[in-house]
Amino acid sequence: GQQLNQSPQSMFIQEGEDVSMNCTSSSIFNTWLWYKQDPGEGPVLLIALYKAGELTSNGRLTAQFGITRKDSFLNISASIPSDVGIYFCAGQLPGNTPLVFGKGTRLSVIA
Amino acid sequence: NAGVTQTPKFRVLKTGQSMTLLCAQDMNHEYMYWYRQDPGMGLRLIHYSVGEGTTAKGEVPDGYNVSRLKKQNFLLGLESAAPSQTSVYFCASTPGGWGYTFGSGTRLTVV
Repeated sequence: GQQLNQSPQSMFIQEGEDVSMNCTSSSIFNTWLWYKQDPGEGPVLLIALYKAGELTSNGRLTAQFGITRKDSFLNISASIPSDVGIYFCAGQLPGNTPLVFGKGTRLSVIA
Repeated sequence: NAGVTQTPKFRVLKTGQSMTLLCAQDMNHEYMYWYRQDPGMGLRLIHYSVGEGTTAKGEVPDGYNVSRLKKQNFLLGLESAAPSQTSVYFCASTPGGWGYTFGSGTRLTVV
């Protein structure tokens, strides 16, 4: 099946630091999404991207849809303890197909 | 507004036993999905449904069956559980496109 390569797998950062993670694929996606999963919960949508080159912000989060439509990144600025969790990228191929998810980036924030 | 409700939240099965996981949504969504989450593997699609009475295979369908007899419910069945099916199972729904709402998961252990 389709695969999204998400990196890094895990990160340990100090509170207040900025964080960056990314996803790449060999396929072209129509939509890129970023989800966050808190411990014991299901993923929750953070940001959705629809157009190549699009840069979208949601508070301290910024995400971009790559020009080639094969990659996306997520930045978190000035991290806080509640940013802890697993972040997933997801993409949707043309044709309203089910989302394909990356393997996740586990973020730990040290106060 | 309950959203997506999964039952049970936890279950321990013996190898060879059968069980059914229930997903119920109260948002009148057409599309429903079952994913499994394993450490380091991200979310992998098991089966999905594009409407009442329809089902389709995802990336990892073997050992599972599904039914969507009512629009609001999507059942995932394990006929003969195996230790490899130990996982956290997530159900999601959407009216269409990419706006998935996830349940809080079912943690299944097969011994």
